[in-house]
Amino acid sequence: DGGITQSPKYLFRKEGQNVTLSCEQNLNHDAMYWYRQDPGQGLRLIYYSQIVNDFQKGDIAEGYSVSREKKESFPLTVTSAQKNPTAFYLCASSIPTEDGELFFGEGSRLTVL
Amino acid sequence: QKEVEQNSGPLSVPEGAIASLNCTYSDRVSQSFFWYRQYSGKSPELIMSIYSNGDKEDGRFTAQLNKASQYVSLLIRDSQPSDSATYLCAVVMDSSYKLIFGSGTRLLVRP
Repeated sequence: DGGITQSPKYLFRKEGQNVTLSCEQNLNHDAMYWYRQDPGQGLRLIYYSQIVNDFQKGDIAEGYSVSREKKESFPLTVTSAQKNPTAFYLCASSIPTEDGELFFGEGSRLTVL
Repeated sequence: QKEVEQNSGPLSVPEGAIASLNCTYSDRVSQSFFWYRQYSGKSPELIMSIYSNGDKEDGRFTAQLNKASQYVSLLIRDSQPSDSATYLCAVVMDSSYKLIFGSGTRLLVRP
């Protein structure tokens, strides 16, 4: 079955540690995205990539980094520079056209202890 | 000014009623609009997409788009308790095709 797989689903981190969230898709989509969601809030765009080896900052990129070395993979690293990293992180992919539907993974919930 | 605005709610309706969810957006050139449903702790799922002015119906759901007023809405007929969720409006902004989300409206359908 085609889809997007995020791992881990739950992650606990101590302050000052970097963590990497995995996102893999087998939908053959060119575009991939990372969103952050805080309780009671909508989704805010962190980074997006429309093609391999290229990515752009979204609205809240500070304290995060990404790579896009393969079409299927778009990992997100939450660095120690991110001051308030506890949140629900959602990865998505799409065909990069104006009417391209976003397909979401199940999300990763990060808690900083 | 936020790019995509929604009333946070909660919007409470009795079972069987019509729920009306509204969304305004700031970018006049936006062409693609989406409604997603999100249950607590889960990822969003697409309910409707709409690209041209007017109404688009799919089962109990109707999306309405008015580009002149920069307004898109979602009507849910015969609301069921299982429709209780947060509904997110999303708009494709500019030529980058990135999707910008509103903060969502929480819908409660009372049995």
